[in-house]
Amino acid sequence: DAGVIQSPRHEVTEMGQEVTLRCKPISGHDYLFWYRQTMMRGLELLIYFNNNVPIDDSGMPEDRFSAKMPNASFSTLKIQPSEPRDSAVYFCASSLGLAGSTDTQYFGPGTRLTVL
Amino acid sequence: KQEVTQIPAALSVPEGENLVLNCSFTDSAIYNLQWFRQDPGKGLTSLLLIQSSQREQTSGRLNASLDKSSGRSTLYIAASQPGDSATYLCAVRPNFNKFYFGSGTKLNVKP
Repeated sequence: DAGVIQSPRHEVTEMGQEVTLRCKPISGHDYLFWYRQTMMRGLELLIYFNNNVPIDDSGMPEDRFSAKMPNASFSTLKIQPSEPRDSAVYFCASSLGLAGSTDTQYFGPGTRLTVL
Repeated sequence: KQEVTQIPAALSVPEGENLVLNCSFTDSAIYNLQWFRQDPGKGLTSLLLIQSSQREQTSGRLNASLDKSSGRSTLYIAASQPGDSATYLCAVRPNFNKFYFGSGTKLNVKP
């Protein structure tokens, strides 16, 4: 398997624009996670899905953030409108399960977002 | 909320040295703890996962221990190599739905 795939790898946009980040999890993994990493706050869990259903979105910072998983092989994280403080690296990760050895998460390479 | 702290923030050692990275957490009621490695500009790679009922896990030159009562975990790296240079993060899972990461220890192994 190619691992978790994220696109784009880099995104530069202007404040107020809509941004869509994409993720393809590892085939067969039932769980998908979206994280944000900044120097100030470190790595934070934003939301995670189980079998395409959002389970916990308590980490989503504001209503400007939304995430969807229309099928088992694709998820999006959308920011509308974007603000400079949203600048960060956004990671997607997937795992087989959430119990025992299946809990191991596999991370994508991340999308570096810069909002001017 | 679980607070996860990693000390030191950065560490530089000569090649071949054995070293210990520390992770502390404030709430001892955890589901599991995981150690990750992050290379510059890349995502995280899982190294070791310790379940709440376990005391340690080993993989090659790496050994991670867990002491829930004291709220501590250590990652031991034996015979360090320049290729071990990276940032090491620990992640604590207090329950089924939450994951809390430490800020990491940036390790530099000098040839």
